[in-house]
Amino acid sequence: GENVEQHPSTLSVQEGDSAVIKCTYSDSASNYFPWYKQELGKGPQLIIDIRSNVGEKKDQRIAVTLNKTAKHFSLHITETQPEDSAVYFCAAKEETSYDKVIFGPGTSLSVIP
Amino acid sequence: ETGVTQTPRHLVMGMTNKKSLKCEQHLGHNAMYWYKQSAKKPLELMFVYNFKEQTENNSVPSRFSPECPNSSHLFLHLHTLQPEDSALYLCASSQVGQSTGELFFGEGSRLTVL
Repeated sequence: GENVEQHPSTLSVQEGDSAVIKCTYSDSASNYFPWYKQELGKGPQLIIDIRSNVGEKKDQRIAVTLNKTAKHFSLHITETQPEDSAVYFCAAKEETSYDKVIFGPGTSLSVIP
Repeated sequence: ETGVTQTPRHLVMGMTNKKSLKCEQHLGHNAMYWYKQSAKKPLELMFVYNFKEQTENNSVPSRFSPECPNSSHLFLHLHTLQPEDSALYLCASSQVGQSTGELFFGEGSRLTVL
């Protein structure tokens, strides 16, 4: 079955710097890769996603990149702000599957003012 | 009420107690989920209900018993739990058949088993 690894487990950056979180997946059938953000005391919320027919996607200060050959995908946050502090989860699934979303273990990001 | 709501937000129970977690979704979705979130571990899918039909999950101990009376409500009945069951239990919903099936999570029920 699918296995998703995520690094680093914790990340501290100065406000205004960039943050990068990296994930790898094992199942070549996976073709949809969402990223969820979980703020303290809240449930995870989808912030961006990417399909396997796309190499990069941007939405304001966040971007995701995907290397299908290497089975790597990454989240990039530029100009970090204190409100970016949260736990970020990458995930992988076959797009038409509804019950086989495999999550990474999460990265706790702290943005220091 | 909007989104996915879970009650109670916090629950402390002894190993011999019986309690239930409740989830309600106000999004008109047709699938609901229970996830277990433990520290430093990936979110672990426990149960899925799609159109009120439960997907079997043989790896979840029988001390956890789900119930889905309709497409908007989901319960997780708990009995004779173990201390290692202490975790955050997240409910989610999605629309099966929609392009990506984005999961919408509730804020979770923090369970402590003494």
